[in-house]
Amino acid sequence: NAGVTQTPKFQVLKTGQSMTLQCAQDMNHNSMYWYRQDPGMGLRLIYYSASEGTTDKGEVPNGYNVSRLNKREFSLRLESAAPSQTSVYFCASSEGLNRGWDNIQYFGAGTRLSVL
Amino acid sequence: SQQGEEDPQALSIQEGENATMNCSYKTSINNLQWYRQNSGRGLVHLILIRSNEREKHSGRLRVTLDTSKKSSSLLITASRAADTASYFCATDGDSWGKLQFGAGTQVVVTP
Repeated sequence: NAGVTQTPKFQVLKTGQSMTLQCAQDMNHNSMYWYRQDPGMGLRLIYYSASEGTTDKGEVPNGYNVSRLNKREFSLRLESAAPSQTSVYFCASSEGLNRGWDNIQYFGAGTRLSVL
Repeated sequence: SQQGEEDPQALSIQEGENATMNCSYKTSINNLQWYRQNSGRGLVHLILIRSNEREKHSGRLRVTLDTSKKSSSLLITASRAADTASYFCATDGDSWGKLQFGAGTQVVVTP
C-alpha cells in the first residue's frame, strides 16, 4: 500500500519549458489536491479535484493546469515554466469534501522543482 | 491568504521537555488539524479536533481548541529527538473540507 506517489522527485527546467507532475493514490479516495510549499509560507492550494471528473482552482492557480485522469491519478502541468514557480510541489488525497467527512489529507513525498 | 498562523516560528528544546505551539485562525471552522513534516518529506496527519471539542489527546499529543479566541495549541509531552520536524495547523474555515495551512512551527529537539 504505497499511499500517494509523486513523480518525479526532482526536476530542473529552463524558463519557458513545460512539464507535467504526476500523482497517483491507491486509497480509493475521491478528492485530490496540488499544493506548493515555499519557505516561510506554508502550503498553498493550486488546484483540487473534489471528485473524479471535476477540478477547481485553489488559491494560486495561475500558470498551472490540471487533469483528473481517473479516480487514482491527478496531474499538474506547467505550460511555460517561470522562475517564480520554483518550489516544492505536494499532491494529497482525502476521502472527500462532503459534509460529514473529516477530510484528513494524505500527502506524497513532494517534487522539488527549480526553474532557471 | 493563510487562515492559520503558528507561533512560535521556531522552537528549540531538549529531549524530555514539553513542546507547546499555538495556532490562531481568522474565520469560523468545522475542524482544525495538526500535521507534521519531517525534513524533505510530505506532511503527515497527527490529530483532528472538531469545533465542538475543547481538548483531544493522542499518545504524547494534546490539542486544545478555543473557538471564542479562534486559537488552538499543540502540546508534545516528553519530547524525543524523533519529534524534530515542522508542525502545521490546518483549518477549513471558508469552504468545507478545503484546508488552509499556516506557515508552521519548526521544532528542534536535541538529545
